[in-house]
Amino acid sequence: KAGVTQTPRYLIKTRGQQVTLSCSPISGHRSVSWYQQTPGQGLQFLFEYFSETQRNKGNFPGRFSGRQFSNSRSEMNVSTLELGDSALYLCASSFIGQGTDTQYFGPGTRLTVL
Amino acid sequence: DAKTTQPTSMDCAEGRAANLPCNHSTISGNEYVYWYRQIHSQGPQYIIHGLKNNETNEMASLIITEDRKSSTLILPHATLRDTAVYYCIVRVANAGKSTFGDGTTLTVKP
Repeated sequence: KAGVTQTPRYLIKTRGQQVTLSCSPISGHRSVSWYQQTPGQGLQFLFEYFSETQRNKGNFPGRFSGRQFSNSRSEMNVSTLELGDSALYLCASSFIGQGTDTQYFGPGTRLTVL
Repeated sequence: DAKTTQPTSMDCAEGRAANLPCNHSTISGNEYVYWYRQIHSQGPQYIIHGLKNNETNEMASLIITEDRKSSTLILPHATLRDTAVYYCIVRVANAGKSTFGDGTTLTVKP
């Protein structure tokens, strides 16, 4: 099976702009989670979508939003970008069912805000 | 999710076994122990997970103590490519989220 894919891999934006990142989960996986990784804060959970519904949400401002489509692909959007939003954004997909759900991560999108 | 405690860094000689400890003394009965590793600027890679019993796969072995308050990840024959940050996570099944700590930076030396 193909792994989790994220596009684009690298992105440069300026303050005040908005950005949309995309994540395609492993085939059959209906849960997609998003994480932000920065040198200062480490890996932090943003939100999780399952069957097009947000199930979990981390402690991030409303500028960070997401959605999931019927094919389980997910997008996250960051509006009014700030310098501190520069980070590696990771998505992970998992199969929700019997037993436990192992999350598999994509390669990430490196966002630089200037 | 229960909190985990890992040493900040460890060294291991190439070809020797790397034993990475993790303390999760507040783990609940329905929480699994997961291990991931992350090589610089790449996405975390799943290694192994377990609930109560010891587990082994092609990458590593996971030893969980009987009281489940701690675990050890064992890389049987470490190579230079095993140099990475290793994360121990405790989470309930189907929760959809993981709480990452700072992990252990493992450096495998020739």
